[in-house]
Amino acid sequence: SYVLTQPPSVSVAPGKTATITCGGNNIASESVHWYQQKPGQAPVLVIYDDSDRPSGIPERFSGSNSGNTATLTISRAEAGDEADYYCQVWDSTSDHRVFGGGTKLTVL
Amino acid sequence: EVQLVESGGGLVHPGGSLRLSCAASGFTFSTYAMNWVRQAPGKGLESVSTISGSDGRTYYADSVKGRFTISRDNSKNTLFLHMNSLSPEDTAIYYCAKDRHYYESGSLKRDDAFDIWGQGTMVTVSS
Repeated sequence: SYVLTQPPSVSVAPGKTATITCGGNNIASESVHWYQQKPGQAPVLVIYDDSDRPSGIPERFSGSNSGNTATLTISRAEAGDEADYYCQVWDSTSDHRVFGGGTKLTVL
Repeated sequence: EVQLVESGGGLVHPGGSLRLSCAASGFTFSTYAMNWVRQAPGKGLESVSTISGSDGRTYYADSVKGRFTISRDNSKNTLFLHMNSLSPEDTAIYYCAKDRHYYESGSLKRDDAFDIWGQGTMVTVSS
């Protein structure tokens, strides 16, 4: 099956830019979606189709996808951005949707 | 307001069965594919199963294939997950999630995103 690799943790200072990566074989050929999950809450879609933002998601959240790496970028990080972030794609081999292992973002 | 409310979770013995339900409101249920996603305690997200809006297509994770069955009743705006032969590894919060794309035909976009999630229902498999 298709494996998505995320760093377990990323730290960022308030007001700076956080970058969370999602690695996969030729992931650029896939549509990548990103979810934010805060403790005790359900996940929230923050980026779909590599770089589009659902309504209500701040412009500080952006995405890109090239080669073997998709990237979620959070500009001007805030304390409220602390959460786990997951990438997700369709795996054509298993004919099913798969998630990356998740990245815990700490703003300190 | 679009809303998904799961129910049916609880404690079940290994080898037992359980049926989860997800009541949907605020959108035309039959025109969106629906999903079950689970999260074991302290672990990441795992997509369990997907069902198209009305053309009958279903997809499963290898970990549940042959044991779980996804279904829906479009007349009652309800999604189901029938779980058999449960093991402790199935212990998790089970979330119901809606696909982002609308299909009048009841089809689905396989690489779609999950745009709305319920709050989840906890399933514990233990003796």
